[in-house]
Amino acid sequence: DTEVTQTPKHLVMGMTNKKSLKCEQHMGHRAMYWYKQKAKKPPELMFVYSYEKLSINESVPSRFSPECPNSSLLNLHLHALQPEDSALYLCASSQVGSTETQYFGPGTRLLVL
Amino acid sequence: AQSVTQLGSHVSVSEGALVLLRCNYSSSVPPYLFWYVQYPNQGLQLLLKYTSAATLVKGINGFEAEFKKSETSFHLTKPSAHMSDAAEYFCAVTLGGSQGNLIFGKGTKLSVKP
Repeated sequence: DTEVTQTPKHLVMGMTNKKSLKCEQHMGHRAMYWYKQKAKKPPELMFVYSYEKLSINESVPSRFSPECPNSSLLNLHLHALQPEDSALYLCASSQVGSTETQYFGPGTRLLVL
Repeated sequence: AQSVTQLGSHVSVSEGALVLLRCNYSSSVPPYLFWYVQYPNQGLQLLLKYTSAATLVKGINGFEAEFKKSETSFHLTKPSAHMSDAAEYFCAVTLGGSQGNLIFGKGTKLSVKP
């Protein structure tokens, strides 16, 4: 099973709202990732967790707050977002190791009004 | 620094025709190379991965790619296009180093005409 699940599928939020995106995998992977993808662009890496610890933060604004409560779950907490944050947010997971294959979830389509 | 160049942001073929999507990489050491496909409003799905075990890599849905070191290329091909192949295709490279160091090309949108 190479499935990564994400909820919700779609999310509309105002600039003052607080919301969370959720990601789950049951492949035993110990590395998990958040990517942001704008229309007609490739994914851009935001955060990397290895063994439930944040290992990479690609200079992402603090209005995005990641959390990895256990080895199967990854959250992205959103607060005070801007309209330019509207995008497809993708979660991925892999075995630990920089050349390991990353498996992606279906994404959450976020619209900030 | 490693990088990936996908030639052609949009490729259009007729159903049944050969699909050729081009990818060139820039690397001074042997890379790991990937092709991912993204259907509309979906996530990325792995098509195939090159790990130096064999230069011709077979993937899912009838796709394959050939690693050519002399040309620094990893082009994706399929002998006969189906309507269902219409999607965005991303080539990606990693040399290792830090976890998650996956560099994507800008993508090629494949259209298939009936």
